Amino acid sequence: QSALTQPASVSGSPGQSITISCTGTSSDIGGYNYVSWYQQHPGKAPKLILYDVNKWPSGVSNRFSGSKSGNTASLTISGLQAEDEADYYCSSYTSSSPVVFGGGTKLTVL
Amino acid sequence: EVQLLESGGGLGQPGGSLRLSCAASGFTFNNYAMSWVRQAPGKGLEWVSAIGGSGIKTYYTDSVKGRFTISRDDSKNTLYLQMNSLRAEDTAVYYCAKVITGATGARGIDSWGQGTLVTVSS
Repeated sequence: QSALTQPASVSGSPGQSITISCTGTSSDIGGYNYVSWYQQHPGKAPKLILYDVNKWPSGVSNRFSGSKSGNTASLTISGLQAEDEADYYCSSYTSSSPVVFGGGTKLTVL
Repeated sequence: EVQLLESGGGLGQPGGSLRLSCAASGFTFNNYAMSWVRQAPGKGLEWVSAIGGSGIKTYYTDSVKGRFTISRDDSKNTLYLQMNSLRAEDTAVYYCAKVITGATGARGIDSWGQGTLVTVSS
């Protein structure tokens, strides 16, 4: 049940695009297309922004996009906005447990 | 609108017990798997436990196996987490969560409660 690996922080300027990686193994990300991403603002509950690698829940901006290659998933945020500043977590189904999360990435909008 | 309302958090003694509840509304509760996710102060998300829509299958992260028990009462649309043998490292905000399930497993968590804080300290 090891956590997925994410960079601790990323940053970008308004209007730019950033990408957050999420690395696992063949027992989680590499083995299933059940990768999801969450946005969490300080003091708030997490919010689902992508599931099944690249599907949007209702009401989520298409500025958020997802992809997967091998054991690594990626979240790309395009047209960066100040409101995107938050913590982002990836998650995957695994062969040994229903859910494993990444350690989280703090996004700073410069 | 899906609503998940946790209760039961508070101060627990090391070695003691607490029981968390989550009242669900806005969806057909018995059709969905549910989960508990926790977040220690200043730390990331940690999945704790999950229960299938039927309540038959339960799952736990290694650190709580044998100490925590997840259950559900579909007649009351309520999810529970019985926490025994509490440790300082169990201190966290505990979120109740609704799981999207697919043919082979959990696809993601599409709804979260506001969280309830559990503090384990003497």
